[in-house]
Formats: sequence, C-alpha cells, structure tokens
Amino acid sequence: EVQLVQSGAEVRKPGESLTISCKASGYTFTSYWIGWVRQMPEKGLEWMGIIYPGDSDTRYSPSFQGQVTISADKSISTAYLHWSSLGPSDTAIFYCARHGELFPFDSWGQGTLVTVSS
Amino acid sequence: AIQMTQSPSSLSASVGDRVTITCRTSQGIINDLGWCQQKPGKAPRLLIYGASSLQSGVPSRFSASGSGTNFTLTITSLQPEDFATYYCLQDYNYPITFGQGTRLEIK
Repeated sequence: EVQLVQSGAEVRKPGESLTISCKASGYTFTSYWIGWVRQMPEKGLEWMGIIYPGDSDTRYSPSFQGQVTISADKSISTAYLHWSSLGPSDTAIFYCARHGELFPFDSWGQGTLVTVSS
Repeated sequence: AIQMTQSPSSLSASVGDRVTITCRTSQGIINDLGWCQQKPGKAPRLLIYGASSLQSGVPSRFSASGSGTNFTLTITSLQPEDFATYYCLQDYNYPITFGQGTRLEIK
C-alpha cells in the first residue's frame, strides 16, 4: 500500500526558516515524481512543484520558484519542502502527493499545517 | 499557465440527486484532466484521471467526460459521504493548475 506520511504542524515567526518532510513507503520511491500542493486557509489547491527522487530533477511553478526549495533523500524515501525565510502568506496546509504512472496525485500525504505569526 | 474555470462554485443538492460540475480550460488539453474530492479537514483524493477513467476504489456513481476544453463530472444518486468540495486539475503542461473548486452541500 502506498503511504505518504508528513511531518507534524509547525509554528514559526516571519523570517524564520523551515523544512517539512514527506516519508514514502509501499512503492519504489525513486521511480515516481512527488510533488507539493499548498492550501491557504479556506482556499483552493495550488501546485508548487515536483521532484523526481531518482535523479533529483525538479520543476517549480512560477508562483513558487525562488520562494521554496524541494528536495529528496532517496536513502530514506523522504521528500522535503524548505523555506529559508517564511512570510505570513506561507500560513497554509501543505500536502505532498505522488505522481502516479497514469496521472498526478494518485496518493496524498495527510497534510502539514504551517502557521507563520509574530 | 492554463486557467481552469469550474462551475458552479457551490451547489446544494439532496441525497439521491444527480449533479453535474463543469470545468473549462483556457486552452485545449486533450484529455489530461482529473477530478479530486476533498472533505473538510482531509487531504484531497483523486477520483478521475484521463478525463473519464475512474481511479481504483471510486464508486461507479461517479463518472466524467470531456475533451479539449470542456469537461464534466457527474455524480448520480448522491450519498451522504459525497458532500465535499470537488476540484478539476490539468496535467497537460506545467505548471499543473486546479480549478477554484465546487462546494457540494446538503440541501
């Protein structure tokens, strides 16, 4: 069974850095793209970017390019989303999701709530 | 980026009803369209991919069709667990984009 388990909720101040994680199991981690999706409070879904853990090829949405860094550690089947300097607009739930063979988002993590507040 | 326009934004219906949600794209995407369901406080779930293919485990009361720029999701005989928000999304090209969502509420 494919499972994506994300790290727990985080509270940070503006300007702080943060990395959240997504641990995959139940499939060959290096063979599927894995992506991140943002959902701001009471808002819709926004695709942030994806990474192919096999070779670390990464694609970003123009809206998030330069704002976040997506990475992966294939030795522990884990993908990461990193901010070097958080802003108030980063308050959201962030989901990781696998891009399946047939279509993106065939499996989702449970979400990580990030709250940025002074 | 490809713009996705869903309609309606919200919809009230009763258990047993048939409902249809529409998604229009700003350019042709062949059939590279999916539909996700999201319940409050939960992660989204993929229902449909390739415009009309049912994801494994999704009840057959869900169906979808379309190609090019116009797509529909239909739910026949609504069940209590179907009341949720539905999103279309395209993976024709990057960035992947979502519709704004359709909130399906109990009448």
